[in-house]
Amino acid sequence: DADVTQTPRNRITKTGKRIMLECSQTKGHDRMYWYRQDPGLGLRLIYYSFDVKDINKGEISDGYSVSRQAQAKFSLSLESAIPNQTALYFCATSVATGGTYTGELFFGEGSRLTVL
Amino acid sequence: DQQVKQNSPSLSVQEGRISILNCDYTNSMFDYFLWYKKYPAEGPTFLISISSIKDKNEDGRFTVFLNKSAKHLSLHIVPSQPGDSAVYFCAASGVNYGQNFVFGPGTRLSVLP
Repeated sequence: DADVTQTPRNRITKTGKRIMLECSQTKGHDRMYWYRQDPGLGLRLIYYSFDVKDINKGEISDGYSVSRQAQAKFSLSLESAIPNQTALYFCATSVATGGTYTGELFFGEGSRLTVL
Repeated sequence: DQQVKQNSPSLSVQEGRISILNCDYTNSMFDYFLWYKKYPAEGPTFLISISSIKDKNEDGRFTVFLNKSAKHLSLHIVPSQPGDSAVYFCAASGVNYGQNFVFGPGTRLSVLP
């Protein structure tokens, strides 16, 4: 079983609909992230959470919200989906190294969202 | 404006030869760099990293070189194998970057048998 699990893996929806992407992890990591991937733009950070009570905006948070329900669960919501939110979304986890840097990221398999 | 650039969207290499993937960055505050590999329908997986106190880090067939003055790093794969065919992302971080990573757009490597 995957250590970082995303649901759904694929979703097609219409403009204006509310969508939730869910992420759960069994790695025991405190840090969780949501990224989106677009062709030619790489991975861009949407939101991140360093623990259950810590939520931070990333580079492209407009139009998105998140909820950290537990250490192991981090969900991403699109309150009113629009076509330019069509993308591949990745959840990731990491562990604090105790030093200056965040450790490597462990990614889920991705959720492909299409907004018509 | 992209702070981490991978100017080659794709690269094709013959099996057994060397693959060289390049990455440039603009933010001088970046001082920790990673490479991730991504296969279709899978999430990216960590490959190798380097901090700015080093200019080279090696792990088996994979070596990353860092040229701080040029703000350039490269990933060398020797010898290349068909299983190395994937998209490779360069990522950068720094103390003043909230301990988060900035990713480049990726380079698709095809290793031809």
